[in-house]
Amino acid sequence: EVQLVESGGALVQPGGSLRLSCAASGFSFSNYSMNWVRQAPGKGLEWVSYITAGSASIYYADSVKGRFTISRDNGKNSLYLQMNSLGAEDTAVYYCARYFDYSRRMDVWGKGTTVTVSS
Amino acid sequence: DIQMTQSPSSLSASVGDRVTITCRASQSISTFLTWYQQKPGKAPKLLIYAASSLQSGVPSRFSGSGSGTDFTLTISSLEPEDFAAYYCQQGYSTPLITFGGGTKVEIK
Repeated sequence: EVQLVESGGALVQPGGSLRLSCAASGFSFSNYSMNWVRQAPGKGLEWVSYITAGSASIYYADSVKGRFTISRDNGKNSLYLQMNSLGAEDTAVYYCARYFDYSRRMDVWGKGTTVTVSS
Repeated sequence: DIQMTQSPSSLSASVGDRVTITCRASQSISTFLTWYQQKPGKAPKLLIYAASSLQSGVPSRFSGSGSGTDFTLTISSLEPEDFAAYYCQQGYSTPLITFGGGTKVEIK
């Protein structure tokens, strides 16, 4: 079964850091680009970051640029999101999603992990 | 940045109704338009990609159309399991993708 499972979400104080993980199974992880997408409570979807299959190209939304770092370990079938200098505006459910570069679609999503930034 | 505007933001409909949701891009995005369905507490689910291609396993009552700046998601006959939020996403400026604000389909 094709699956993505996020972990690492937690309650963190403003200014703190957190590292999210996304474990992939059931497909050739190293062949796919990946995205992180987040959803604040009661709000819509917001794209956060993108990484190509071989990590050659990486992009970030302006809202997280300079604070978040996306990475992957194809040997471990895992995607990561290092989040620093967290603020209340980063409170959200974070999803990882498999991305098809040609058709520009995200066809497999994890269930999400919740990040709450609060003192 | 390409802005995506969905309308309406919410609608009430009955089982069996035909439902249409619109998504407008701030500039031409060709057919790089994807639709997702999201139920409360769940991850988004891919419905339509390339504006009109039905994702495998998605019921045929879902269809998409449009190109350029104006796109439509149509549910031909609403089923109870279709009450959810729907989001469009442009991929023209990939990987800098953007989502519409969402449309919540509620039971009348």
